Amino acid sequence: KAGVTQTPRYLIKTRGQQVTLSCSPISGHRSVSWYQQTPGQGLQFLFEYFSETQRNKGNFPGRFSGRQFSNSRSEMNVSTLELGDSALYLCASRTNNGAGASYNEQFFGPGTRLTVL
Amino acid sequence: AQSVTQLDSQVPVFEEAPVELRCNYSSSVSVYLFWYVQYPNQGLQLLLKYLSGSTLVKGINGFEAEFNKSQTSFHLRKPSVHISDTAEYFCAVSDQARGKSTFGDGTTLTVKP
Repeated sequence: KAGVTQTPRYLIKTRGQQVTLSCSPISGHRSVSWYQQTPGQGLQFLFEYFSETQRNKGNFPGRFSGRQFSNSRSEMNVSTLELGDSALYLCASRTNNGAGASYNEQFFGPGTRLTVL
Repeated sequence: AQSVTQLDSQVPVFEEAPVELRCNYSSSVSVYLFWYVQYPNQGLQLLLKYLSGSTLVKGINGFEAEFNKSQTSFHLRKPSVHISDTAEYFCAVSDQARGKSTFGDGTTLTVKP
């Protein structure tokens, strides 16, 4: 089975621009979560999508948004980029069969390294 | 609300020595517990998880962890480490009802020859 894939792997943007990151989950996984990883803040939860609906949300400003398509692929968008948005953005997928899904492990992609200049 | 505290940000240890990475958590709801490992330039991968039952959980690469409900801890141990264990280790909890996950800040394990 192919793992979680994220594109692009590296991205350089300037302040004020917007960016879209893409994540393809493992086949059969319907839940996709996004995380921001920085040296200072560690691993911060952004949001989780299941069946095209946002199920959980972290404490990030509205500039961070996401969506999930019917094939479970997910995109994350950051508008009006700030220097502090430079980070490794990780996507994770897991099988999800409803209320009991949280016991399933998450499978992480390699991440997208975003640099904002 | 839930939070995870990894008590050591960096743990240096010599090869073949034992190691313990400490994790405490706080939650107002029932949670599942996980340990993940991240090697350089890679995503995270699961080491082990505690769902219920025996409080001693065995994972991959010779790691094990013990769940202590009274102390709300989930410490990770390995009796003899290898150079290849050098990585960052994350403790995480997942809300049993809603599935929301919270990660600790990570512990960098450095194994020296």
